[in-house]
Amino acid sequence: AQKVTQAQTEISVVEKEDVTLDCVYETRDTTYYLFWYKQPPSGELVFLIRRNSFDEQNEISGRYSWNFQKSTSSFNFTITASQVVDSAVYFCALSEARSNTGKLIFGQGTTLQVKP
Amino acid sequence: GAGVSQTPSNKVTEKGKYVELRCDPISGHTALYWYRQSLGQGPEFLIYFQGTGAADDSGLPNDRFFAVRPEGSVSTLKIQRTERGDSAVYLCASSPGLAGFQETQYFGPGTRLLVL
Repeated sequence: AQKVTQAQTEISVVEKEDVTLDCVYETRDTTYYLFWYKQPPSGELVFLIRRNSFDEQNEISGRYSWNFQKSTSSFNFTITASQVVDSAVYFCALSEARSNTGKLIFGQGTTLQVKP
Repeated sequence: GAGVSQTPSNKVTEKGKYVELRCDPISGHTALYWYRQSLGQGPEFLIYFQGTGAADDSGLPNDRFFAVRPEGSVSTLKIQRTERGDSAVYLCASSPGLAGFQETQYFGPGTRLLVL
């Protein structure tokens, strides 16, 4: 069955530290997409990145980077030199081709607290 | 352009009452999704519309929940005989609707429903 696991419930770091948020997924599909969303205290989910199952290249966007490894079914997210504004709940999500609808399967989320 | 909007932001109701939650997707987006997010959890899929039709309602928890999208734009999620367990944040998302599971969904701010 399809599933997304974010084992870290909460992480607390001090500003300027690097932090990695883990995401492990399960799917029987060979074609799928993975996503990361940020949910700040305001509550709105903000899209960060989308990655398809055929593209294992790591991606970097400013202080954010993503490591996709199909061999371990992981799609981890690293924030370099964290800032207080990074404090939020981060969700990893999976979309499978077999669903044909694009419905997202979310992990439980990781709450990141960045202290000044 | 304008993002996904949802009204009301907050809704407090009494057990047994009927409620309607509204979602206005991004203009031109034909795909619309409803999710429910309980406290401390990731969003869970409820229903997916492609145009006016509900293409996948497999996530609706029971027959007290119903959603419509009569003109292919605004959608209304309707909950009958509300129960305390229905208390959650109801999120709406939309996407262009051209590429199904490959598309990025953009979320609204959510409606926080509290059933007393």
